[in-house]
Amino acid sequence: SQKIEQNSEALNIQEGKTATLTCNYTNYSPAYLQWYRQDPGRGPVFLLLIRENEKEKRKERLKVTFDTTLKQSLFHITASQPADSATYLCALGAAGNKLTFGGGTRVLVKP
Amino acid sequence: NAGVTQTPKFQVLKTGQSMTLQCAQDMNHEYMSWYRQDPGMGLRLIHYSVGAGITDQGEVPNGYNVSRSTTEDFPLRLLSAAPSQTSVYFCASTEDRNTEAFFGQGTRLTVV
Repeated sequence: SQKIEQNSEALNIQEGKTATLTCNYTNYSPAYLQWYRQDPGRGPVFLLLIRENEKEKRKERLKVTFDTTLKQSLFHITASQPADSATYLCALGAAGNKLTFGGGTRVLVKP
Repeated sequence: NAGVTQTPKFQVLKTGQSMTLQCAQDMNHEYMSWYRQDPGMGLRLIHYSVGAGITDQGEVPNGYNVSRSTTEDFPLRLLSAAPSQTSVYFCASTEDRNTEAFFGQGTRLTVV
């Protein structure tokens, strides 16, 4: 069956460092992959989308890579700030705009 | 521009009761979806719609009904609430295929 795995353990990181999150998937051939941010008690907020034919995407301090051979996406937050503390979700999309989400990774940036 | 609006924000139901979770969007999006979020399990798709009058089942549809009579509204009905339906429910809308999803603030439902 399709499976999307994100590190369930929280990532604790010092302010200013780069946070790197992993999203691995099996039994899936996604057309694209998205990353969302979710704060406690709020709905997910879209951050980035990367398509299957793209290797890397950047937006301000965020960078996403997509390796369809390894079936993996990496999400980087450079120069992290305490305001970046949140849970980050990856989601895989295929035909029909149905998104399948991973369990999310909580990031805590310490000042 | 309100985006995606869900009501209520919180609800407590007794086992066997029925209720409707409301979702409305003002962005004229064709695609709308309902997810539930449980600890450690991520967001799971319940039902989705690709346009008015068209709905389909997602990963966990049992115990839930939907309808889409207008582009703006996509209500989720719990027919006979069970404790296993205790969860946080999110509605989302998308303008087109392969684009970002806009989520509502969620409804926290407890079934006792």
